[in-house]
Amino acid sequence: GQNIDQPTEMTATEGAIVQINCTYQTSGFNGLFWYQQHAGEAPTFLSYNVLDGLEEKGRFSSFLSRSKGYSYLLLKELQMKDSASYLCAVLDSNYQLIWGAGTKLIIKP
Amino acid sequence: IAGITQAPTSQILAAGRRMTLRCTQDMRHNAMYWYRQDLGLGLRLIHYSNTAGTTGKGEVPDGYSVSRANTDDFPLTLASAVPSQTSVYFCASSGGPDTDTQYFGPGTRLTVL
Repeated sequence: GQNIDQPTEMTATEGAIVQINCTYQTSGFNGLFWYQQHAGEAPTFLSYNVLDGLEEKGRFSSFLSRSKGYSYLLLKELQMKDSASYLCAVLDSNYQLIWGAGTKLIIKP
Repeated sequence: IAGITQAPTSQILAAGRRMTLRCTQDMRHNAMYWYRQDLGLGLRLIHYSNTAGTTGKGEVPDGYSVSRANTDDFPLTLASAVPSQTSVYFCASSGGPDTDTQYFGPGTRLTVL
């Protein structure tokens, strides 16, 4: 079966750095997405990786290793507004998105 | 309209009633999707449409139906609601320059009693 694993919850301090990991086992791979979802709101697109390596976008970076079935989202200079759930999703061989359950990130002052 | 809209925002429904959730996008995206999101679970695909006139079943299609008469609209119908359909429903679309990136509507919170 297809499976996306990410930690249920993480806590970090304002101004610090946090890394959210995601491992996947899917039927085929056509890219990996990270989305941010604030409580009570819709998911919003953060990043897309299809090749191995690091993609940097401001305070957020996303890394992919296809051989290891592994990705992480790195958030730097954490702000209180970064408190949200972070969803990892893989585009499978049928171009359907398979979603992880999300990681709830709590930022403390 | 800018992006994707959904209606209603929330609804309380008696079991056995019929309900249609509306979704409209103005981005001219070819593909549209319906997901449900339940606490502790990832987004689960209910139905999708790759282009107007076609639809397909996702992971959890039972009890739901969809239609895609035109590019902009993708309604989701619950023919006879049951309490297990209590959830938050998100509509999404994709197909712009970043072809596979999905953009989400604000969601409909549905409670079936």
